[in-house]
This record gives sequence, C-alpha cells and structure tokens, in this order.
Amino acid sequence: DTAVSQTPKYLVTQMGNDKSIKCEQNLGHDTMYWYKQDSKKFLKIMFSYNNKELIINETVPNRFSPKSPDKAHLNLHINSLELGDSAVYFCASSPMGARGYTFGSGTRLTVV
Amino acid sequence: QKEVEQNSGPLSVPEGAIASLNCTYSDRGSQSFFWYRQYSGKSPELIMSIYSNGDKEDGRFTAQLNKASQYVSLLIRDSQPSDSATYLCAAHNDMRFGAGTRLTVKP
Repeated sequence: DTAVSQTPKYLVTQMGNDKSIKCEQNLGHDTMYWYKQDSKKFLKIMFSYNNKELIINETVPNRFSPKSPDKAHLNLHINSLELGDSAVYFCASSPMGARGYTFGSGTRLTVV
Repeated sequence: QKEVEQNSGPLSVPEGAIASLNCTYSDRGSQSFFWYRQYSGKSPELIMSIYSNGDKEDGRFTAQLNKASQYVSLLIRDSQPSDSATYLCAAHNDMRFGAGTRLTVKP
C-alpha cells in the first residue's frame, strides 16, 4: 500500500543504453513530477504532468521522455545514457491546490 | 531566473537547542511554501507548509513567512539527534527547491 512507488530502486547501466523508470501513485493525486537529485543533493524539476497532460518541461535533454498513460502513472524513458545522467531520480505527486508533494523512494541511476 | 536559496550550512546545534533554517525566494508571485526533511539515502518528506504571513506551529516545528522580505524560515525547538537531516525549502508556484541545509544535532 505504498503511496508513491518507483521501480527499479537501483539501476546500473552502460553508456549508450536506453532505460526506463516507472512510477505509480495510489493517492488519487492530479499532478505527478519527475525530479533529479544530483550528488550535491540539489533537487531539480524535470517534468510535471497534470491529469496526463504535460505542464512543465524544464531544460532537459530530449533524450529524456516522460509518458503518462493515466493519472496514476508517470514513467521516464532515457535514451543514449551518458555518465552525467547518474543521479537519483524521484517521482512525486501532489493533489490540486499546492498542498505539497509525496515523494517516491527514488531510483539511483549509475551510468558506467 | 526564479530562485529559492537557503543558507548552505552545514548547521550544527547541541541537543535541546533551537535550530534555525532560512530560505529566500525571488518570485514575488509565490504563494505556497513548504519545508521537507530528507534523511541520508531517503526521499524528502513534507514536514511543514505555510501560505500566509506570520508563524505556523506544529509540535516542535515553527514555520515563519514574510512575503514583504521574501523569506521563509523553519525553527526546530528542543532539537534532537533524530532531527539530523537535510532540510529543503520549496516554493511550489514553480516547483523549485532550495539546495538544502544539512543539520546535525549533537548529543
């Protein structure tokens, strides 16, 4: 009964590979997000979806493509992985009305 | 460029003391502010929200908002070693977080 669940928790892959991270929330929230947290712990917004529609797309390489099949799911696909993509990726969700986020447990991506 | 900035720390306080964490923001249109706590290796966890000027208290935590000066602060009274974590300030209008302040509470 995890509120926001991400899979996988750890992902180690070689440069040039393509990988996906999945996220699901069972809170009934309308908005979902992808954040990247680098080694200095800085959390940077990447994408935001509201009811399956993209509302925020920060300056992120187009190798990153989010997909939201329904309101409860937001996946992140990354093509041609690079060393600099190594980070922890967090999925989060929030209800309407700016009530704060619930975060998933994170996916630690290591590109070797 | 809209920014949320925090005093970078690290901040170290003795057990039982008051820890004071500060945050400033550049977007005057921001309406909602949040404090998150992140333990090492874990995900951020929402601990306080504040929407209007003044103080908001919840147990040992007090959030303070001053929209005229564009700052938000978090006070932790009677700090405990279990409060040792990184604290992240966020302005949710544009989904931006501060860089976080690492707090250590020494027994």
